Amino acid sequence: DTGVSQNPRHKITKRGQNVTFRCDPISEHNRLYWYRQTLGQGPEFLTYFQNEAQLEKSRLLSDRFSAERPKGSFSTLEIQRTEQGDSAMYLCASSPRLDEQYFGPGTRLTVT
Amino acid sequence: QQQVKQSPQSLIVQKGGISIINCAYENTAFDYFPWYQQFPGKGPALLIAIRPDVSEKKEGRFTISFNKSAKQFSLHIMDSQPGDSATYFCAATLYNNAGNMLTFGGGTRLMVKP
Repeated sequence: DTGVSQNPRHKITKRGQNVTFRCDPISEHNRLYWYRQTLGQGPEFLTYFQNEAQLEKSRLLSDRFSAERPKGSFSTLEIQRTEQGDSAMYLCASSPRLDEQYFGPGTRLTVT
Repeated sequence: QQQVKQSPQSLIVQKGGISIINCAYENTAFDYFPWYQQFPGKGPALLIAIRPDVSEKKEGRFTISFNKSAKQFSLHIMDSQPGDSATYFCAATLYNNAGNMLTFGGGTRLMVKP
């Protein structure tokens, strides 16, 4: 399967703990996006990378959130001091150009 | 601020019927309007997309109608099938923006009854 992969698929953590998610985009896709989707809602943009450069960050991305894309390949999204409001599906998408974004299956985070 | 509003939230259609989902946007700078289909446990997948220079685009059983003056666009699924049962999201973006970040509607859960 050469699609976007995300790990882990599910993560349960206690409030206050740190969590890290990984996204492996489709090979040679230079654009990578992170979105957050809460139950019954559409995805909301969090951040965007072109190659290794983080070019856009949403106001939703508080200082507890940090994302990296070293060497322009895989990306990680870390949430520090998790809160119950962080419970959501975290989606990664990659794109070779302006139009189509290919989404991964997401990582579902539950903060207890 | 919800920049893309989608309706209805849920829709039940008989097999063979037409499913219609509507979206309205606020930002007149948006110039690329894709529709995504999402099955449970999966990420959204691009279904069909339109630029505002055309009023309609058809791909198989799926058609987008676009009304620039009203800032509205809709998805029509002809001859709806049980396999079309999924959640559908409209989205909008600035096509020439370096990031092309998508702004999604709230989603429509479609159920097609056999």
